[in-house]
Amino acid sequence: DAGVIQSPRHEVTEMGQEVTLRCKPISGHNSLFWYRQTMMRGLELLIYFNNNVPIDDSGMPEDRFSAKMPNASFSTLKIQPSEPRDSAVYFCASSPAGDYTEAFFGQGTRLTVV
Amino acid sequence: GDSVTQMEGPVTLSEEAFLTINCTYTATGYPSLFWYVQYPGEGLQLLLKATKADDKGSNKGFEATYRKETTSFHLEKGSVQVSDSAVYFCALRWSGGSYIPTFGRGTSLIVHP
Repeated sequence: DAGVIQSPRHEVTEMGQEVTLRCKPISGHNSLFWYRQTMMRGLELLIYFNNNVPIDDSGMPEDRFSAKMPNASFSTLKIQPSEPRDSAVYFCASSPAGDYTEAFFGQGTRLTVV
Repeated sequence: GDSVTQMEGPVTLSEEAFLTINCTYTATGYPSLFWYVQYPGEGLQLLLKATKADDKGSNKGFEATYRKETTSFHLEKGSVQVSDSAVYFCALRWSGGSYIPTFGRGTSLIVHP
């Protein structure tokens, strides 16, 4: 398996623009997580899907952030409008069902908002 | 709620030195415990895990033992290499794959030749 695939790897955008980050989880995994990583705040959970349904979105910073999972093989994280403080590395991770399972991370999208 | 506390970094060592990175957790029960490693420019990847008390996880020369009496899962390696330079994350997760992993803040390790 190719692992969790995220795109793009790097994104530079101007403040106020819409940004869409994409994620393809590992086939057969039923849990999907979006995380944000910054030096100041470390790794933060933004949203968690289970079987394509959002279960916990309490980490989504504000209404400018939205996430969807239209099917088991694709998820998006959208920021509209983007702000400089959104600059971070965004990770998608997926996990299979069952006990003692770890999360498998993608390589991340480095977002820079100027 | 659940939490994971790691020693602050960076941890700076010379090659072949002994490594310990401390990790303690707070949880009402016995979750599974994990160590992840993040190399520069990459995502986190599983290094090792332990699923019950007194279990020892090991991989690539790294070890960690699940100690329920001290609620700890310290990472150790007997002889570090320059290639071990990375950020290490301790995490816990309840059994049943629908639970969200809880991560520590990460500890940066820098190994000098």
